[in-house]
This record gives sequence, C-alpha cells and structure tokens, in this order.
Amino acid sequence: AQSVSQHNHHVILSEAASLELGCNYSYGGTVNLFWYVQYPGQHLQLLLKYFSGDPLVKGIKGFEAEFIKSKFSFNLRKPSVQWSDTAEYFCAFKTGGGNKLTFGTGTQLKVEL
Amino acid sequence: GAGVSQTPSNKVTEKGKYVELRCDPISGHTALYWYRQSLGQGPEFLIYFQGTGAADDSGLPNDRFFAVRPEGSVSTLKIQRTERGDSAVYLCASSSTGGERNEQFFGPGTRLTVL
Repeated sequence: AQSVSQHNHHVILSEAASLELGCNYSYGGTVNLFWYVQYPGQHLQLLLKYFSGDPLVKGIKGFEAEFIKSKFSFNLRKPSVQWSDTAEYFCAFKTGGGNKLTFGTGTQLKVEL
Repeated sequence: GAGVSQTPSNKVTEKGKYVELRCDPISGHTALYWYRQSLGQGPEFLIYFQGTGAADDSGLPNDRFFAVRPEGSVSTLKIQRTERGDSAVYLCASSSTGGERNEQFFGPGTRLTVL
C-alpha cells in the first residue's frame, strides 16, 4: 500500500536555525510530490511541489525540497527559520496519473524567539 | 476571490444520528475531493468527483458514508448512523481539473464530534 512517512512529529527550533524535515514515500512507480503547510487557525495550503526535472524545487517563503529517487525521499529545508514558520507541515504525493493525495502524519514545527 | 468554503464549521451529534456536511468549491473548478483528518493524523482520501460523477470513491470507509454533487458544483458528504469513530475534521478540496499535476485548494474543514 502506498504511504508517506514523516520521521519527526514535533520539532522545536530557535529563530535563525536551519530546518530539515524528513519525508519518505512508499510507492514503486512515478510520483508527484507535495509539501503542504497549515498555519495556526488556517487551512492547508501548498508550500511547494515536484513533478519532474530539477530535483531541487523552491517554494514560497524561502522553503525548498529535494527529491532523491533512490531514497524515495522528499525532504523539506529552510536555511533560517522565522517565528512565523510555526505551523504543521505535511508531505504528500500523487501517483502518476492519479488524483488523490496520500499524506504523511505531519510534523508540528514550533519556532521560538 | 472566494476559496473553498465548508459548512458547518463545527457539528456535534449523537451516536446513531445522520449528518450532512457541505462543500462549496472554487467557482469553475470541476474536480472536488473529500478527505478526513483524525487527531494526530494526516488527511486521508475519501472520494473524488469529476463534474457530477464520483470518479473514485475507494476511500469511503463503509456504506454509511455517501457523497453527492448533483450539479457539478456544491457537494454534500452524508454519514448515516454516526459512530464515535467518525469524529474527525472533514476536509474538502477542489482543483481546476483532475489530474496528477493540478493543485488542490483546501477548505477550512468541518469538525465533526460524535458523542
């Protein structure tokens, strides 16, 4: 069965620290990869996506993610986090030709001043 | 530009009752999705509509769950004989068309509590 594993459930960082959130997916075929973010009191919104081409993709607010096919991974990174990055982050994928998103369990990030 | 809206925002019901949850997609979006998010989990797919028809209902957990989209716009998720395990946030999303590369825009969700 297809699934997504997010290794860190809760992460606490100080402002200006670097961030890396792990994501591994389980599926043997073509995938399209996504990171969604949910800020406190807001709905899910797309942070970035990967379909094909350059495996390093850049999203909004300085976030980036790298697709490593051999590791089935799509880790999210940001060089210097801000207090406003406090949110829950979800990794997700669609199979090639598919419509539904398969989500991980999410990582709750808290950035302290 | 209105986003996806869902009503009610909160619904409390008793075990065994029937509930309806409504989703208003972004105008012009032909694809509509329902997901369910239980506490501490990520959203789980329930059903996908392309226009008026359910193109994929493989995520519906059992026959107590049913969804319709009669005019290809608003959708209603219906749950019969609710159980405490149905308590979750029910999310609706829409996209301009279906397909693997189309961004899904999510609504705020309906928090369902079954007592």
